[in-house]
Amino acid sequence: AQTVTQSQPEMSVQEAETVTLSCTYDTSESDYYLFWYKQPPSRQMILVIRQEAYKQQNATENRFSVNFQKAAKSFSLKISDSQLGDAAMYFCAYTWDNAGNMLTFGGGTRLMVKP
Amino acid sequence: DTAVSQTPKYLVTQMGNDKSIKCEQNLGHDTMYWYKQDSKKFLKIMFSYNNKELIINETVPNRFSPKSPDKAHLNLHINSLELGDSAVYFCASSRRWASGPNTGELFFGEGSRLTVL
Repeated sequence: AQTVTQSQPEMSVQEAETVTLSCTYDTSESDYYLFWYKQPPSRQMILVIRQEAYKQQNATENRFSVNFQKAAKSFSLKISDSQLGDAAMYFCAYTWDNAGNMLTFGGGTRLMVKP
Repeated sequence: DTAVSQTPKYLVTQMGNDKSIKCEQNLGHDTMYWYKQDSKKFLKIMFSYNNKELIINETVPNRFSPKSPDKAHLNLHINSLELGDSAVYFCASSRRWASGPNTGELFFGEGSRLTVL
């Protein structure tokens, strides 16, 4: 069974600094997709960034980038120039071909941003 | 316009009751989902549904049933509610079922917080 693990229940970062959130996963699939979703206090889940496993290049979206290590099954999220609005729960998620887009989520990391 | 909308946002009810949560998406997506988020924030897929196939997570009790009158709606019915059903339920939709450039990109509703007393 596929599992996703986020080992950091909580993280804290100073505004304008950089923070990295960790995620590891377990799968026997070769083609799969990884995601980071953000859940602010409003509760709504918002896609931050996605990575296709067949792509070696790490995905970036503005201040958000990932470090994808396929052999190590690691998928960390780096947030640069942290802003107060980045404070939220962050969930790492995984799906694979033929999974019908059903995501398996990690347990989440609560990110606090200090002014 | 809200892309994926759920009603009600909050629901408080007694054990043993039957309740429904409605979900509608105006994105023209083919596939809809229900996820459950427990008190520890853990998110788990319950159902995945398009107009051809329903996939049920085997751990979901059969007291839960999705009902889809059309491809823009996927309602969640829960019979004989139990204390452990208290959670936030999220509806989501996606553009396509099969793999491709949009695989895994789900659009979520704001969640419906269910409290069973």
